Amino acid sequence: KNEVEQSPQNLTAQEGEFITINCSYSVGISALHWLQQHPGGGIVSLFMLSSGKKKHGRLIATINIQEKHSSLHITASHPRDSAVYICAVAPFSFGNEKLTFGTGTRLTIIP
Amino acid sequence: GAGVSQSPRYKVAKRGQDVALRCDPISGHVSLFWYQQALGQGPEFLTYFQNEAQLDKSGLPSDRFFAERPEGSVSTLKIQRTQQEDSAVYLCASSPPTSGSPDTQYFGPGTRLTVL
Repeated sequence: KNEVEQSPQNLTAQEGEFITINCSYSVGISALHWLQQHPGGGIVSLFMLSSGKKKHGRLIATINIQEKHSSLHITASHPRDSAVYICAVAPFSFGNEKLTFGTGTRLTIIP
Repeated sequence: GAGVSQSPRYKVAKRGQDVALRCDPISGHVSLFWYQQALGQGPEFLTYFQNEAQLDKSGLPSDRFFAERPEGSVSTLKIQRTQQEDSAVYLCASSPPTSGSPDTQYFGPGTRLTVL
């Protein structure tokens, strides 16, 4: 069983829809990261959180430490949001923030 | 530039060749990570440096893989006697001096290695 599981693996939606991507993990963590990867492109960090909720523009990330679960929401989705969204966790390990990644959720927004 | 840079962006090697992949982290960033991303998969950890010290190399898949960061800035990932299963995108990430709290990692564009 992977330490980080994402769902769904693939998601296609119409422009304007509210999007939710889920991430579950099985280890104690110091932080959880949500990352965005465009085809052929590098990885961009969207959020890093260890508790509660963060919002940036149309993106919202939440985490429930007790349930070991996080969600990434996109409001008013747009075709430019089409990308692979990756959840990654930094397990408890002082001085070493190496990340363990999920396999990603491929999001396609249709105009 | 202000971001993490990697070179080359693309590398094609014949099986058995040695390759060297370079990462230039953001200036002043203490931590540097190498990750390997196979096609259609999430990245996987290879190795981690804090300044010039290689603190964790548990993810290196074999002794053909070697990484160094001799002056605590630029890092090189070397793969000897490349095999087809080494074909992947190799990602480098850096993060600023630790404050005791987790830090955002800044990723480079990656080097896509294809071994024929």
